[in-house]
Amino acid sequence: GENVEQHPSTLSVQEGDSAVIKCTYSDSASNYFPWYKQELGKRPQLIIDIRSNVGEKKDQRIAVTLNKTAKHFSLHITETQPEDSAVYFCAAHNAGNMLTFGGGTRLMVKP
Amino acid sequence: SAVISQKPSRDICQRGTSLTIQCQVDSQVTMMFWYRQQPGQSLTLIATANQGSEATYESGFVIDKFPISRPNLTFSTLTVSNMSPEDSSIYLCSVVLGGHGGADTQYFGPGTRLTVL
Repeated sequence: GENVEQHPSTLSVQEGDSAVIKCTYSDSASNYFPWYKQELGKRPQLIIDIRSNVGEKKDQRIAVTLNKTAKHFSLHITETQPEDSAVYFCAAHNAGNMLTFGGGTRLMVKP
Repeated sequence: SAVISQKPSRDICQRGTSLTIQCQVDSQVTMMFWYRQQPGQSLTLIATANQGSEATYESGFVIDKFPISRPNLTFSTLTVSNMSPEDSSIYLCSVVLGGHGGADTQYFGPGTRLTVL
């Protein structure tokens, strides 16, 4: 089955700096890669996603890149703000509509 | 997007008892899933709730421990049976909706925080 590795497990940045979270996956058939943000005590919220026919996608301060050959994808947050502090999960999705999640990254943005 | 609700939002239960968690969606959805999120951990898929047929369980999860119902396209229940403290987790339902450019996008309910004493 699919295996998704996520790094780093914790990330601390200064407000205004950029944050990058990386994920690798094992199943070359995976074709959809969402990112979720989970604030303390809340549900995971989809923040951005990318499909296998696209190499990069951007939404304001958030961007995701995908390298299908290397089977890795990354989340980039620019101009970080304290409200970006949360746990971020990457996931990989296969044809069976199953999502396999990475282990999560706790992002702390220091004001 | 759809409104997804879960009941109860939290509960504290005694070991050996069972708890049934409900998931309600305000529109018909094809696929519904149940996940477990242990404290400080990632999300693990328990099963796919299939409408009109038995749920499909992932490795490590069995129907006797986590029976699931899916009577229609807007509702599902997950029961955590014969609970032990190791079952203390957040249980989340999720649904697949269109939007964000495709039918694969999953959205999560608010979760049920279960504590077993």
